[in-house]
Amino acid sequence: GNSVTQMEGPVTLSEEAFLTINCTYTATGYPSLFWYVQYPGEGLQLLLKATKADDKGSNKGFEATYRKETTSFHLEKGSVQVSDSAVYFCALSDTGRRALTFGSGTRLQVQP
Amino acid sequence: GAVVSQHPSRVICKSGTSVKIECRSLDFQATTMFWYRQFPKQSLMLMATSNEGSKATYEQGVEKDKFLINHASLTLSTLTVTSAHPEDSSFYICSASPPGGETQYFGPGTRLLVL
Repeated sequence: GNSVTQMEGPVTLSEEAFLTINCTYTATGYPSLFWYVQYPGEGLQLLLKATKADDKGSNKGFEATYRKETTSFHLEKGSVQVSDSAVYFCALSDTGRRALTFGSGTRLQVQP
Repeated sequence: GAVVSQHPSRVICKSGTSVKIECRSLDFQATTMFWYRQFPKQSLMLMATSNEGSKATYEQGVEKDKFLINHASLTLSTLTVTSAHPEDSSFYICSASPPGGETQYFGPGTRLLVL
């Protein structure tokens, strides 16, 4: 079956530091890949997505590239801010099935 | 963007009672909604797919008689936890996507505590 593995947190960084959150997946077919973010007290929000190999999703300074050869979709940001503190979820949806398979989530704490 | 609401946001109940959780798409119609469950520090796990006007599709291991799903309209799905027990305590989250869309929009979740 499908599965998503992401690095455990919490990840604690200083403001303006470089961020990488690793995500790898196992899936049949050709999944679409997503990063969702959950800010404190709020619901999950789509951060970015990529629907095919070598696509790069980007939003709010975050980027992730769909790497089929390494089955990865690592999240990166060049300079984090305190407002980026949240829980980040990597997820996939398999071909023809819109339900999502999630990773366990990674909590990011950015200190001023 | 699209908004999905859930009610209540938090509920505490006694063991043996039933609890209903509502999920509404506020500015779009959704023929399909999804119900997830999240245990502390764990991933969201899909429980069931709610289909408007037809029976829900449950994931393996999810008891359909315990977790009753009703999708009576294009903007409302309800999850009823029947005869709740302490092990049902969890965070329940719904999601929906507009027709033809791939992006899912999530509700803020409902935290259930069964005493």
